[in-house]
Amino acid sequence: DAKTTQPPSMDCAEGRAANLPCNHSTISGNEYVYWYRQIHSQGPQYIIHGLKNNETNEMASLIITEDRKSSTLILPHATLRDTAVYYCIVSSQGGSEKLVFGKGTKLTVNP
Amino acid sequence: EAEVAQSPRYKITEKSQAVAFWCDPISGHATLYWYRQILGQGPELLVQFQDESVVDDSQLPKDRFSAERLKGVDSTLKIQPAELGDSAMYLCASSLLWGTGELFFGEGSRLTVL
Repeated sequence: DAKTTQPPSMDCAEGRAANLPCNHSTISGNEYVYWYRQIHSQGPQYIIHGLKNNETNEMASLIITEDRKSSTLILPHATLRDTAVYYCIVSSQGGSEKLVFGKGTKLTVNP
Repeated sequence: EAEVAQSPRYKITEKSQAVAFWCDPISGHATLYWYRQILGQGPELLVQFQDESVVDDSQLPKDRFSAERLKGVDSTLKIQPAELGDSAMYLCASSLLWGTGELFFGEGSRLTVL
């Protein structure tokens, strides 16, 4: 079973920031938070991951709370092409633990 | 940019027939994964390879599914016989390092069983 809880759907206006929340209250000290997205009829795409510090790359920012029990993925200027299902996953690195996908959040960016 | 190649993109078959999917990972990626995604659900891992060895096939229905990666490069997933409940998207992914959570997925093979 997935170790995360996400809202099933969200809407965002084009050009505005999209803030996607994720709860992972049972996360262990060695587990990372990963975010993927899946545009309709395509394979999932890796976005970003982090352990406890906030992370930023060219696609998004990841904000992890100090207690690590929740996180937020931020798309700073959402476009129509960001409409997708976003998956938040917790997993350890360095071992055989697999990525377990839940149902994710369907983000719809509206013009 | 290097991509994971999968074929066929779409496959329609009748119940009880055999079907096979092929995956060519990104060059140099030692770890290869097959996932199954039923409509409306997240992907579910079926099998994971490290080079040519299976490291996790706990969720693979072994009575009808088989997977191989003979030379540690490309891989084939086979279903025989196909059942109606096998209709799904079959996704292949690869990663450069063992244990990393940064996977690169192909576009998938959509199977419809009639």
